[in-house]
Order: sequence, then C-alpha cells, then structure tokens
Amino acid sequence: DVKVTQSSRYLVKRTGEKVFLECVQDMDHENMFWYRQDPGLGLRLIYFSYDVKMKEKGDIPEGYSVSREKKERFSLILESASTNQTSMYLCASSKQGDGNTIYFGEGSWLTVV
Amino acid sequence: SQQGEEDPQALSIQEGENATMNCSYKTSINNLQWYRQNSGRGLVHLILIRSNEREKHSGRLRVTLDTSKKSSSLLITASRAADTASYFCATDAGTGFQKLVFGTGTRLLVSP
Repeated sequence: DVKVTQSSRYLVKRTGEKVFLECVQDMDHENMFWYRQDPGLGLRLIYFSYDVKMKEKGDIPEGYSVSREKKERFSLILESASTNQTSMYLCASSKQGDGNTIYFGEGSWLTVV
Repeated sequence: SQQGEEDPQALSIQEGENATMNCSYKTSINNLQWYRQNSGRGLVHLILIRSNEREKHSGRLRVTLDTSKKSSSLLITASRAADTASYFCATDAGTGFQKLVFGTGTRLLVSP
C-alpha cells in the first residue's frame, strides 16, 4: 500500500515563527502536492512538485515556500506564520501520468496563535 | 480558484437508502475523480471516470459524467452508517498535468 506520512499531526505555533511541515512518500512517486483545507473553501493547492528540485505554484502560494531535495520528501515552509495560516494541511503524491490516483497523508492540523 | 462545486453541501439519509451527490465544473477536463474524507482524516480515492466515459461502477458506487453539461454525479447505493463522510469531486481542469482541483465537498450523514 502507498503510504504518505506527514510528520506532525497537530502543531501549535506562535505568530512569526518559521514552521516546517514534512511529508514523505514511499512509492517512488514523481508528483507531490501540498493542499490546505478550510471549512467552506474545500481543498486549495498551495504548491506542487513533479520532480526533485522542481516546484510550481498552486492557487494560494503566498506566505509559503517548499523544498524537494529528495524524491520521497516534500516540505512546506511557512517563513513567518500568521494566524490566517491556521488550517489543516494535506500532503499528497501520485505517479506521473494522466489519470493517476492521488494518495493523501492524514493531514497536519496547524494552529497559529 | 474552485473548479468543482458539489451539490448538496450536506445530505442526511437513513441506512439502506441511496445517496446521490452532484458535481459541476467549469472547464474542459481529461478525467474526473471522486474522493472520500472521514472527519479529520486525509482523502481516499474512490473512482475515476475519463472524459470519454459516461458511466462507471465500483461496488456500491456509480458515477456518471456529462461533459456537455460539465457535471458528474456519485450514487452510493444501500448506504451504511460507515459511509458517513465528506465526498469531493476533483478534476484535472484540462491542464494536461496531474494537478487536481477539488470542489468544496458534500457532507453525507447516514443514520442507523
């Protein structure tokens, strides 16, 4: 079974802190994604990566950056956390190619106080 | 930007009944997928339907796609309490790259 593991399930951070959310997948997938999920807004794509060291902005990249130094790992970075970044963050991965299933991690609940 | 919009936003039924959820989208697509999310958990893939398909079945799931109306429906037959979850449609928005755009979801409650 494909496994996408998010390092932290629940985090509480202070405004202005630098926050790292880590994600690892074990199926040699080329594509990796970071989404955030908020009530009434559904899932919104922050960043995605289709190869090591490659990244593309999604719909809401402002205030975030990402890093993909190894194929299996995709990190989301909040350079200076703000309260409006309190949310559920979901990492996902998939094989390259049209119509492939996207596999999600269990999510990281981030609260910024 | 939201590509898919699910309807209804919430649905409450009794065990044994059928549940139908609808999804509308805005741009041309290569495929459309449905995902399920249990409360507070990640999403799980249910079924994919390609743009040249009109209907697809998987167990108690039936998905239809009408590309002329830019809409899809997910039917869950003989619902069980364990089907209680949120259901999302997702499209590739015709990007040619596997970047899915999700709708806002339908919350399904199945009561015993």
